[in-house]
Parts: sequence; C-alpha cells; structure tokens
Amino acid sequence: GQSLEQPSEVTAVEGAIVQINCTYQTSGFYGLSWYQQHDGGAPTFLSYNALDGLEETGRFSSFLSRSDSYGYLLLQELQMKDSASYFCAVRMDSSYKLIFGSGTRLLVRP
Amino acid sequence: EAGVAQSPRYKIIEKRQSVAFWCNPISGHATLYWYQQILGQGPKLLIQFQNNGVVDDSQLPKDRFSAERLKGVDSTLKIQPAKLEDSAVYLCASSLKFATEDYNEQFFGPGTRLTVL
Repeated sequence: GQSLEQPSEVTAVEGAIVQINCTYQTSGFYGLSWYQQHDGGAPTFLSYNALDGLEETGRFSSFLSRSDSYGYLLLQELQMKDSASYFCAVRMDSSYKLIFGSGTRLLVRP
Repeated sequence: EAGVAQSPRYKIIEKRQSVAFWCNPISGHATLYWYQQILGQGPKLLIQFQNNGVVDDSQLPKDRFSAERLKGVDSTLKIQPAKLEDSAVYLCASSLKFATEDYNEQFFGPGTRLTVL
C-alpha cells in the first residue's frame, strides 16, 4: 500500500519559523506537492518538488530528498492567517494522480 | 478567471437515499478529479477524468458510486444508496494538462459537505 506520514498537529508563535515533515512510501514517485487548506475551505497549491533540494517561494520553502523518501515544508515569519491544515501529496505517475497525507494542523499563536 | 464551481454546498440525507453532486471545472481544463475528504483526513481520489474518459477509478466504490463527465466539461458524482460512512466533503478539482514532465497544479472547488443520517 501507499503511505505518507506527517505530524497531526504543530503549534508555533507568530513571527517564528516552523517545519512540517513528510515521509512517504509509495510504489511510484514523480514528485512531492504541498497544499494548504483553511477550515471549511478548498485545498490550495503551495509547492512542488520533483528533484532533490530546496525550493523557495516567498515565506514558504519546500525540500525533497528522494533517497530518504522525505520532504518538508518550511514556513517563515509566521502570520495568524497561516493557521490551517497542510497536506503533503505524492504524485505517483505521469497522470498527476496525487496521494495525500492525513495533514498537519498548524496553529499560530499571538 | 472563474474557479471550480460545485453545487450544492451542503446536503443532508437519510441512509439508503440517493444524492448527486455537480462540478464545473475551470474553462479549458482537460483533467477533472473527484475526491472524498473525511473529517480529519486528507483528500482521497475517487475518480480522474481526462476530457470525458476515465483515467483512474480504482478507489471508486462502484457498487454505489458513479460519475460521468459528458462532453468533457461538467461532471456529476452520484451515490446510490448512501451509507453513514459516506458522510464527508466531496471535492472536485481540475487541472490544465494530463501527462507532461512539468507539474500541473490542481485547482479545487469549495466542496460539497454531505451528511448521511
């Protein structure tokens, strides 16, 4: 079967940095995506890594190590609006089919 | 640019009843996905269409769920008959391309929250 593991909850203070880890075991792997979902809202795309290394987009960065089957999402200068659930998702083949993890609920405190 | 539209937003039914959800993807998007998201879990892919053909329906409970995408645009997902465990948010997503080396972002609709009593 396919499995993605991420912490269920993370709490951090406004202005701080937080890292959300994701480890995966899948039968195929093309890349790792991250999506953000606010309560009652739709998932929205944050980033995609196909190759090893760090990708930076504003306050958010995403890292992938294919040899370790591991990735993380790094959120800097946390803001209250960053309180949401964050999902890692593996793209398993060329069809863009995604397998999602169970999500990490991030709570940003003042 | 208009996003992915879904209706209804909320639906409450009794078990063993039928229900249908509708999705209108972003104009020009070839690929359409239906996901089931149970509270506290990540979205689970039910079915993927490329234009009006099914690419993957391996996780669709075909004894009770059906989906179609006539004319390669709008799509409907039906549950008949519903069970208590079908209570979830049903998300529709679309993406521009089908299979390329570049990443192809999925755009999600607001979802339909289904409660089965």
